[in-house]
Amino acid sequence: EVQLVQSGAEVKKPGESLKISCKGSGYSFTNYWIGWVRQMPGKGLEWMGIIYPGDSDTRYSPSFQGQVTISADKSITTAYLQWSSLKASDTAMYYCARQVGGGPYYYYMDVWGKGTTVTVSS
Amino acid sequence: DIVMTQSPDSLAVSLGERATINCKSSQSVLYSSNNKNYLAWYQQKPGQPPKLLIYWASTRESGVPDRFSGSGSGTDFTLTISSLQAEDVAVYYCQQYYPTGLTFGGGTKVEIK
Repeated sequence: EVQLVQSGAEVKKPGESLKISCKGSGYSFTNYWIGWVRQMPGKGLEWMGIIYPGDSDTRYSPSFQGQVTISADKSITTAYLQWSSLKASDTAMYYCARQVGGGPYYYYMDVWGKGTTVTVSS
Repeated sequence: DIVMTQSPDSLAVSLGERATINCKSSQSVLYSSNNKNYLAWYQQKPGQPPKLLIYWASTRESGVPDRFSGSGSGTDFTLTISSLQAEDVAVYYCQQYYPTGLTFGGGTKVEIK
């Protein structure tokens, strides 16, 4: 079964750093893009960026460029989303999703993780 | 970025009736090199992650009931639920994945009348 298993909920203070994870299984991890999506409380979906674990090619939405870092460790089939200094406005649910595509092209998101809730509060 | 605008924001439909959701892109998502529309639809039920319903504007994902259908081309797209069931209560999102970058529409909430 194709699965993306995300790390557990986090509660952090403003200014702290954080790295959440997304472990893929049941498919060839290096042959699919992994994307990250933010959903703020009661709001819609926002695409943050994407990584191709095969060669670590990474792209960011302009809205999130410089705000987060996306990485992957193909040896343990895991992708990451990290912040160096959290803000209260980072409070949200974060989903990872497998993006169908090939080479430099990425398309729709066919498998989703269950999400990681991040709460940033003093 | 391509801006995706969905309408209506919400709609209430009687069980067994048709539900229609519209999605408009600020520029064409029809890629001329392969004549494909780079448009997908997702369903998100409360407390759950989104679920892929439709891709390439009209291709139904495996396992998705055939009451869900997608249509349109260029800048105007429609998701139709032909006979609304109770389990279809959800928020529906369109998404474009044109090579210039990926964006979602704002979502349409579907409820039972």
